[in-house]
Amino acid sequence: DGGITQSPKYLFRKEGQNVTLSCEQNLNHDAMYWYRQDPGQGLRLIYYSQIVNDFQKGDIAEGYSVSREKKESFPLTVTSAQKNPTAFYLCASSIGQDRTGFETQYFGPGTRLLVL
Amino acid sequence: QKEVEQNSGPLSVPEGAIASLNCTYSDRGSQSFFWYRQYSGKSPELIMFIYSNGDKEDGRFTAQLNKASQYVSLLIRDSQPSDSATYLCAVSGNTDKLIFGTGTRLQVFP
Repeated sequence: DGGITQSPKYLFRKEGQNVTLSCEQNLNHDAMYWYRQDPGQGLRLIYYSQIVNDFQKGDIAEGYSVSREKKESFPLTVTSAQKNPTAFYLCASSIGQDRTGFETQYFGPGTRLLVL
Repeated sequence: QKEVEQNSGPLSVPEGAIASLNCTYSDRGSQSFFWYRQYSGKSPELIMFIYSNGDKEDGRFTAQLNKASQYVSLLIRDSQPSDSATYLCAVSGNTDKLIFGTGTRLQVFP
């Protein structure tokens, strides 16, 4: 059963704490993405990775970090430097560059992060 | 100017009617266009994509693209209450990055 999984579904962060959101895919996709969605706003790109061990900043990377050590996994860490982290975080993947349909992105179920 | 613009709605249509959702984009080099449906509290799911000018039909959904006028639309025929959701338009300029609009909320009433 192919797909993208994100965990946890809900995450609570205390002031000054770093938290890590998990994203795993078994679609054999090369590219993975992290978005943030705030109420009434579109999706904003945080980081993306086109290949293992490589990633690029998106439009709102400050206060976030990522790693891409395995093709299947692209975890996102929300650091204490991110002062307004409350949002819905979405992970997506696509087949990858130079392949038919590379632009089409598929989304995981999301993680809702709340600040205590 | 926003790169991808959508009317936030809500767009209210009666059950069985045609719902018409519109999206305009600013980058003339855009080549790929996507419509996603997002139910409240859930993640976006892909409905359709379109690359060429004209219409593309898939069941009750039709995507229409006019590159000269820089707009893309989604028509939903025989609208059902289960179609009530936010519809996101996304545009790609031949890269693997998508630019999303803020979405149009559709309400289909019985």
